[in-house]
Amino acid sequence: EDQVTQSPEALRLQEGESSSLNCSYTVSGLRGLFWYRQDPGKGPEFLFTLYSAGEEKEKERLKATLTKKESFLHITAPKPEDSATYLCAVQAASGTYKYIFGTGTRLKVLA
Amino acid sequence: DGGITQSPKYLFRKEGQNVTLSCEQNLNHDAMYWYRQDPGQGLRLIYYSQIVNDFQKGDIAEGYSVSREKKESFPLTVTSAQKNPTAFYLCASTWQGGKTGELFFGEGSRLTVL
Repeated sequence: EDQVTQSPEALRLQEGESSSLNCSYTVSGLRGLFWYRQDPGKGPEFLFTLYSAGEEKEKERLKATLTKKESFLHITAPKPEDSATYLCAVQAASGTYKYIFGTGTRLKVLA
Repeated sequence: DGGITQSPKYLFRKEGQNVTLSCEQNLNHDAMYWYRQDPGQGLRLIYYSQIVNDFQKGDIAEGYSVSREKKESFPLTVTSAQKNPTAFYLCASTWQGGKTGELFFGEGSRLTVL
C-alpha cells in the first residue's frame, strides 16, 4: 500500500538553529514528491517538486533532497516566520490522479 | 492574478441540511480535487475530476456529491448523509499535460455543524 510518513510530528527550534524534517515514503513507482507549507487556517502553499533520487531543490532557507526511500527538508538558520506545518505528498506512477499526503510536521521557531 | 477561490471561508450548518462549497479556478487546469483535512490526519481525497462532465470518487466520498459542468468550477455538496461533516475542506487543481503536476490549493472552507 502506498504510504507517506513524516517525522517528527512537531519540532521547536531556536531562531538560527538548523534542522531537518523527514518524509519517508512507500510507493509503487514515484512520479513526483512534493513539499508544501501550510499556515493555520490556510491552504497549503507549494514549495518544491522532486522527481528522482539525488535531486535537490533550494529556496531561501529551505533545501529539499530525495533518496529512493525518503526526502528531507533542511531548514538553515530558521526565522520565526518559518513557523508553519510542512506537508509532504507523493504521486504514484500507477495512478496519475492520486496524491498521498503525510500528516505533516508542525514547526515552531522561537525568537 | 491566477488562482483558486473557495467560498465561503466559514460555514455553519444545522444537522439535516445540505450545504454547497464553491471552488473556482482561473489557472486553466484540467484536473480538480476536493480534500478533507482533520486535526492529526493527512489530507483525504473526497472526489476528483480530470475533465469536464466527468468525476470519480476518492477515498471518503460517502455523504458528498460534486459536479463539473465547467472547466473552471468544481462545487462540493456536503449532504445530510455525511455523519461527521465538521472539518476543513480544501479544493485543489493541477495541469495534467506534463511529466507530473503539483497541486495548487485554495484557501479552504471551514464547515461547522451546530
